[in-house]
Amino acid sequence: SAVISQKPSRDICQRGTSLTIQCQVDSQVTMMFWYRQQPGQSLTLIATANQGSEATYESGFVIDKFPISRPNLTFSTLTVSNMSPEDSSIYLCSVRRGPSETQYFGPGTRLLVL
Amino acid sequence: DAKTTQPNSMESNEEEPVHLPCNHSTISGTDYIHWYRQLPSQGPEYVIHGLTSNVNNRMASLAIAEDRKSSTLILHRATLRDAAVYYCILRSRDYGGSQGNLIFGKGTKLSVKP
Repeated sequence: SAVISQKPSRDICQRGTSLTIQCQVDSQVTMMFWYRQQPGQSLTLIATANQGSEATYESGFVIDKFPISRPNLTFSTLTVSNMSPEDSSIYLCSVRRGPSETQYFGPGTRLLVL
Repeated sequence: DAKTTQPNSMESNEEEPVHLPCNHSTISGTDYIHWYRQLPSQGPEYVIHGLTSNVNNRMASLAIAEDRKSSTLILHRATLRDAAVYYCILRSRDYGGSQGNLIFGKGTKLSVKP
């Protein structure tokens, strides 16, 4: 398994501001993933972050809005920039591990934008 | 991406078996069938996966139809803790890069009555 922690666990922010979410994994991984879960919805992949290279964003997500850092093999950050109420969601960090590349998820960061 | 179809919701009684169906008629020969579940206020967790043969682990069993166009997740004795949203996901056998990304559908919300 994988132990993943996220900070903050929740936050309430004002529109127009930015929030950086941290994800820490208990051991080195090649790829880290960021997902968004809007209220009452399923998970949507935002981007994939590899250490030492630019993150790969899914359709509908752009680097200016969701900049990602991956400074080492156990840590990543996702910034939600210039927030609006539509950004109110749970943001989840995820990694793959094991021979079957099982995917493990962090507990999520609950963001409310007023 | 190959898609899956699941019932929106199901109910079960505690201590009874639960059979959660999933249709995936457009599955390709290289797709694994994965099941994840998301307990309330938590990130998704891996349950089980398989390719062609039925699979068992400590959490559940996975029964895969001979033509692989459908599968069933079996919880042998439901407990209150099993109340969650269960996601059936097709994942390419090629785990490298974006082909191995998990694409979540709406899943089945399982309620367990005492």
